[in-house]
Amino acid sequence: KAGVTQTPRYLIKTRGQQVTLSCSPISGHRSVSWYQQTPGQGLQFLFEYFSETQRNKGNFPGRFSGRQFSNSRSEMNVSTLELGDSALYLCASSTSDKNTEAFFGQGTRLTVV
Amino acid sequence: AQKITQTQPGMFVQEKEAVTLDCTYDTSDPSYGLFWYKQPSSGEMIFLIYQGSYDQQNATEGRYSLNFQKARKSANLVISASQLGDSAMYFCAMRVPRQAAGNKLTFGGGTRVLVKP
Repeated sequence: KAGVTQTPRYLIKTRGQQVTLSCSPISGHRSVSWYQQTPGQGLQFLFEYFSETQRNKGNFPGRFSGRQFSNSRSEMNVSTLELGDSALYLCASSTSDKNTEAFFGQGTRLTVV
Repeated sequence: AQKITQTQPGMFVQEKEAVTLDCTYDTSDPSYGLFWYKQPSSGEMIFLIYQGSYDQQNATEGRYSLNFQKARKSANLVISASQLGDSAMYFCAMRVPRQAAGNKLTFGGGTRVLVKP
């Protein structure tokens, strides 16, 4: 059974650009959550998608957006990149509300210069 | 709002010894789940163990066990017989389904463990 796949693994972008990250969940998992990890703020929840609908959203500016496709794959987009957006972006895959597990991908390390 | 506190920023442990990582949590909701993850330097978050608030027994998974003390709101992770490969960051996390209406996890600040040979 394949795990959670995030692409790309590494990205370098310039301030002002936009970026799209991809997450393919475990087969059969319909929930995908995104997290930002930085040394200063730790792990922070961005948003969750379930069956193509955003179900929950963290406290991030509107520059951060996402979507989920019918095959449960999810993308997150960050527009007008800032230096502070440099972080490890992790996605987690889960089955349902009663799920007792949440599996993460290896993350995408974004560097904004 | 829920909160997770990990008071040990870093610790050393001798190979083959046991280590306890502290985690305290705060929520007013009676239904919640507690998770522990390991994050090696590669960055991937590896799921270790889960404890539900209504579970009667402490969770165990191989060398990992969770010391769940509900009244004290603590969920400490015990790693027995430490191995060099256990060197990593360890995160405690909580999910409160009713409040979050989903799978949102709230994480603690993490504890870095270094296993010495």
